[in-house]
Amino acid sequence: AQSVAQPEDQVNVAEGNPLTVKCTYSVSGNPYLFWYVQYPNRGLQFLLKYITGDNLVKGSYGFEAEFNKSQTSFHLKKPSALVSDSALYFCAVRDGANNLFFGTGTRLTVIP
Amino acid sequence: DVKVTQSSRYLVKRTGEKVFLECVQDMDHENMFWYRQDPGLGLRLIYFSYDVKMKEKGDIPEGYSVSREKKERFSLILESASTNQTSMYLCASRRTGGTGELFFGEGSRLTVL
Repeated sequence: AQSVAQPEDQVNVAEGNPLTVKCTYSVSGNPYLFWYVQYPNRGLQFLLKYITGDNLVKGSYGFEAEFNKSQTSFHLKKPSALVSDSALYFCAVRDGANNLFFGTGTRLTVIP
Repeated sequence: DVKVTQSSRYLVKRTGEKVFLECVQDMDHENMFWYRQDPGLGLRLIYFSYDVKMKEKGDIPEGYSVSREKKERFSLILESASTNQTSMYLCASRRTGGTGELFFGEGSRLTVL
């Protein structure tokens, strides 16, 4: 069975500093991994995905994610955080039924 | 721009009422999904549909049913609402054969009193 762990409920970072939101996964076969962002009272917006190829995936709004097969991780990163990046971030993995299984979310707060 | 529209952003219902949550997508996607979102639990899949008139149970289908009479529309039904169904409900769609990426609506926040 698949699983996704986002070990931090809350991440705080100062504006301008690099940010990392962590995600580890467990799935049979090759992983299809996703990051979504949710702003207050809104639906989820797609940020980026890893299917195959380069381990560093670039996405929307300057975000990127690093796939690490040996550590079964897919951490979300950004070199310089903005206050407007404050939101709820979800990691997801595609399961055997081709559905997305989501983590519990990490709330990112960027402090001015 | 792709669009998934959930007709009601905020609803307040009473225990025992029948509740309909409507979702429409304009992307000609075959697959549609209903999730509920609760703090600390993330998103949990209630029901999904791979095509018109098809439906499959997700991880938490109890207390819910769905209807997919047209390709663009997927309805979630709470036959008799209960307070533990107070939640944010998210509809999503995607095309068949893709990499699994979902497109989400804005969500429907339901409060059951």
